[in-house]
Amino acid sequence: ELKVEQNPLFLSMQEGKNYTIYCNYSTTSDRLYWYRQDPGKSLESLFVLLSNGAVKQEGRLMASLDTKARLSTLHITAAVHDLSATYFCAVDRTYGGATNKLIFGTGTLLAVQP
Amino acid sequence: EADIYQTPRYLVIGTGKKITLECSQTMGHDKMYWYQQDPGMELHLIHYSYGVNSTEKGDLSSESTVSRIRTEHFPLTLESARPSHTSQYLCASMGIYEQYFGPGTRLTVT
Repeated sequence: ELKVEQNPLFLSMQEGKNYTIYCNYSTTSDRLYWYRQDPGKSLESLFVLLSNGAVKQEGRLMASLDTKARLSTLHITAAVHDLSATYFCAVDRTYGGATNKLIFGTGTLLAVQP
Repeated sequence: EADIYQTPRYLVIGTGKKITLECSQTMGHDKMYWYQQDPGMELHLIHYSYGVNSTEKGDLSSESTVSRIRTEHFPLTLESARPSHTSQYLCASMGIYEQYFGPGTRLTVT
């Protein structure tokens, strides 16, 4: 069974601190996505990682992909309250993105405290 | 900015009613998807389409049906709504590398 697991499921952190969210997956995919969801809202695309070793950064967030380890990380640098949201990783279930059918992780609820 | 629209945004309806959730996109994407999401939980794929007249069921068993008569339009229909259908329904379309999501329809069946 194809699985995408995120940890932690809930993260409470103080402003100014650093932390990493992990996304492990069981399929041999080379395409991984990170999304942000605010309460009651839809999903906003953060990063698209398309190859082994891919690293992308936007503001205080940086995502990386290791397809050999089947692991992606989302690193948060000097967190601010505006980053509070639920973060999902999603994996294309076929290598090369042939189907573009995604499996989503369970989500990580991030709460940044002042 | 992706142009994908869903209506209605919120719907409260009684058991046994027939409903159609609308989804449209103006980007000319062939691949479109419907997901179901309970609050705070992961998304589950319930239907997808790779183009006009192509529809397939997703991972999560759903009593809903879909149609794809036009590229831009991918409606989802529930013939007889039940309280177990209460959830958020998200529509998405696939660009070159990523999926773009609509704003969602929050459905409550009483």
